Amino acid sequence: NAGVTQTPKFRILKIGQSMTLQCTQDMNHNYMYWYRQDPGMGLKLIYYSVGAGITDKGEVPNGYNVSRSTTEDFPLRLELAAPSQTSVYFCASSATGPYGYTFGSGTRLTVV
Amino acid sequence: KNEVEQSPQNLTAQEGEFITINCSYSVGISALHWLQQHPGGGIVSLFMLSSGKKKHGRLIATINIQEKHSSLHITASHPRDSAVYICAVSKTSYDKVIFGPGTSLSVIP
Repeated sequence: NAGVTQTPKFRILKIGQSMTLQCTQDMNHNYMYWYRQDPGMGLKLIYYSVGAGITDKGEVPNGYNVSRSTTEDFPLRLELAAPSQTSVYFCASSATGPYGYTFGSGTRLTVV
Repeated sequence: KNEVEQSPQNLTAQEGEFITINCSYSVGISALHWLQQHPGGGIVSLFMLSSGKKKHGRLIATINIQEKHSSLHITASHPRDSAVYICAVSKTSYDKVIFGPGTSLSVIP
């Protein structure tokens, strides 16, 4: 049972570079989410998806893009990385909306 | 003001102590969640509740809907309970979850 798999676990980016954080789930969940976690702050929602082909902005979407071409995959794209995007990123999925989340193990991103 | 607040922010306890972490919220909710985040970063869901009380092993979660307050209790605490405990709420008529800032617990042998 893989659950929610995130890659990479760690990454250092230079300012202005771009990258894609990968997220895959094998539970056939419709709902998928991307959060960022900053020290002393609660998880903040970046983007979410309620099914393949459907995505929507969360609280802090600026500087990020997502796509959901399949039920399993929900990649997060960072364009023109900035130091403010230094954070820990978590992908999550659920079968029934905001209940019973399963989280990935997180990606620690540093932008220098 | 944050919609979900937790207290205390940090907590240090001796092994064996009874621990209480509090969560208060200011919005209408359909459910409240307690999650545990270990030092390695992984997040695990502990409880989801919409009324009353739930118990799992040494962990007990309670919620008072009228007072918009929930507590997480840990009985006979152990160093392996050291983690960040996060309260989150599913807002009524809103298909996302709002997370509190977390309470960092350290249990000393």
